[in-house]
Amino acid sequence: DIQMTQSPSSLSASVGDRVTITCRASQSISNDLNWYQRKPGIAPKLLIYAASNLQSGVPSRFSGSGSGTDFTLIISSLQPEDFAIYYCQQSYITPWTFGHGTKVDVK
Amino acid sequence: QLQLQESGPGLVKPSETLSLSCSVSGVSISSSSDYWGWIRQPPGKGLEWIGSISYSGRTYQSPSLKSRLTISVDTPKNQFSLKLSSVTAADTAVYYCARRTRYCSSNRCDHDAFDIWGQGTMVTVSS
Repeated sequence: DIQMTQSPSSLSASVGDRVTITCRASQSISNDLNWYQRKPGIAPKLLIYAASNLQSGVPSRFSGSGSGTDFTLIISSLQPEDFAIYYCQQSYITPWTFGHGTKVDVK
Repeated sequence: QLQLQESGPGLVKPSETLSLSCSVSGVSISSSSDYWGWIRQPPGKGLEWIGSISYSGRTYQSPSLKSRLTISVDTPKNQFSLKLSSVTAADTAVYYCARRTRYCSSNRCDHDAFDIWGQGTMVTVSS
């Protein structure tokens, strides 16, 4: 199975901060990398697909980049509704695997 | 608006079978080329893909669960289901159902992602 390693596992930030989350795959996955946001009691939300494509309806402050093994999710200006847990997921080959998540909380 | 909703017992005894259903509203499963999947998250752990199924019944399953897993689709009811046999405490988790959609990007049209999720249902395995 492809292992997905996210860092950091958690971070504290303030509204308006630029937040960067990284995800590394244990082997090359081309650009088959998705990012999700999860909040308690709410259905997880797809933010980015194919490494850099913004899902419809997702604010433009979210962006993704990378290919091969190294990927990045950036929130350009953190908003109050962005405090959540973020997961990367590879869809290159089954079994599809997820990172362990990055919790973004209030500084 | 497409919505998914999980349902099933919140408590299952060890060695028994965990059964969950996912009701789909807003689109007909049989008219969609998408796949329908299950993902779980044990307490304190990461997300784990369980498996996916098409409206015609073609399945992809996690090798680690395949021997205990049955995923099926009921097109008249517009729902799909999960059965996991011989459960143990390790199967305690929040179980999500989700739609797997295929996207086009970079001259390819085979980028898969889970674009719509249910809220999740907690299943505890305990006697």
